[in-house]
Amino acid sequence: AQSVTQPDIHITVSEGASLELRCNYSYGATPYLFWYVQSPGQGLQLLLKYFSGDTLVQGIKGFEAEFKRSQSSFNLRKPSVHWSDAAEYFCAVASIDSGYALNFGKGTSLLVTP
Amino acid sequence: NAGVTQTPKFRVLKTGQSMTLLCAQDMNHEYMYWYRQDPGMGLRLIHYSVGEGTTAKGEVPDGYNVSRLKKQNFLLGLESAAPSQTSVYFCASRKSSRAQETQYFGPGTRLLVL
Repeated sequence: AQSVTQPDIHITVSEGASLELRCNYSYGATPYLFWYVQSPGQGLQLLLKYFSGDTLVQGIKGFEAEFKRSQSSFNLRKPSVHWSDAAEYFCAVASIDSGYALNFGKGTSLLVTP
Repeated sequence: NAGVTQTPKFRVLKTGQSMTLLCAQDMNHEYMYWYRQDPGMGLRLIHYSVGEGTTAKGEVPDGYNVSRLKKQNFLLGLESAAPSQTSVYFCASRKSSRAQETQYFGPGTRLLVL
């Protein structure tokens, strides 16, 4: 079954610093990959998605992610973090076996310091 | 469009009580999903539906039942609530079977079972 792993449970960055959140997937064929963000007490908002084509995907709020098949990774990046980016970030892969439901990683909690 | 809405937003139950969570979408989406979110676990799929009148089990279906009598509504039932079902429940929908379709999430229902 398709699955994702987010190795970092918590990450702390200074405001204005660059950010990279790691995501590794397990799937034989080309996966359909997503990054969602969840602010405290809120629902999930899609940041970006990859299903084919250009391996560098641009998303909302200045985020981008790069699909690397050789490393089975789909890492999320942002050049300069803002305090409002503090949130929980989830990587997910669509599961063809269950109506394209999403298999989520356990999430990475981002703290932004002044 | 309201998107995906969930009712209620918050509920407290006693062990053994029953309740139904309602998910409604006004986007004419075919696919609908119920997930639960627990600390450190990410989101896990409970049940899903690929169309009106059809439902299927996800990763953690025990203790839950679902119904999709109308295309726009997806109901999640707890027949006899248990403390282990204390969680935040998210409903989501997507338009069709195309893999790249985005899933849209509701705001969540917080359930506390005492």
